Amino acid sequence: SQQGEEDPQALSIQEGENATMNCSYKTSINNLQWYRQNSGRGLVHLILIRSNEREKHSGRLRVTLDTSKKSSSLLITASRAADTASYFCATNRGAQKLVFGQGTRLTINP
Amino acid sequence: DTGVSQDPRHKITKRGQNVTFRCDPISEHNRLYWYRQTLGQGPEFLTYFQNEAQLEKSRLLSDRFSAERPKGSFSTLEIQRTEQGDSAMYLCASSQGQGDEKLFFGSGTQLSVL
Repeated sequence: SQQGEEDPQALSIQEGENATMNCSYKTSINNLQWYRQNSGRGLVHLILIRSNEREKHSGRLRVTLDTSKKSSSLLITASRAADTASYFCATNRGAQKLVFGQGTRLTINP
Repeated sequence: DTGVSQDPRHKITKRGQNVTFRCDPISEHNRLYWYRQTLGQGPEFLTYFQNEAQLEKSRLLSDRFSAERPKGSFSTLEIQRTEQGDSAMYLCASSQGQGDEKLFFGSGTQLSVL
């Protein structure tokens, strides 16, 4: 079963705008990770945030985590056409496997 | 670091046939995972190995599915008596097995059962 739910399921914005995706989960976690998947390809790790962290940055990516609300958000600033992909959150509960959400399909229009 | 490689990239088979997929993880990674992904969904966990030991199997993994990782290196996933519902992308991932687990994924094997 999938633990995370991403919102929105699909997002279409203009190049240069910021994109925000949200993830909610159900149980306590050790860390939460975001991955990107281009069509027909494998997933690529973007960023990891631990349960005792509230915000993390990596280049144009900003991730927040609110453990009281069991939610996370991924912000991509100054979007580019190459950011077009599906984005997944995944939670690690201390068991060795990651549990993925259903993803947000992001389309950046030139 | 040559990345995680999967073979074949695409497999078309007829219902009832057996298929086998191979995954070669990043060489120093001791954990190896199999996930299944259908169109528009996130990856679903199937099973994982720590070296050669298979430590967890999902309830999704029926008795028609078997995975091995001999000698703790490459892994194979076999599906016997394939069904149309087995059509999916089968993803392999590996990790170092230390602390926070970041997974490195292969490009997947797309299975179509006719």
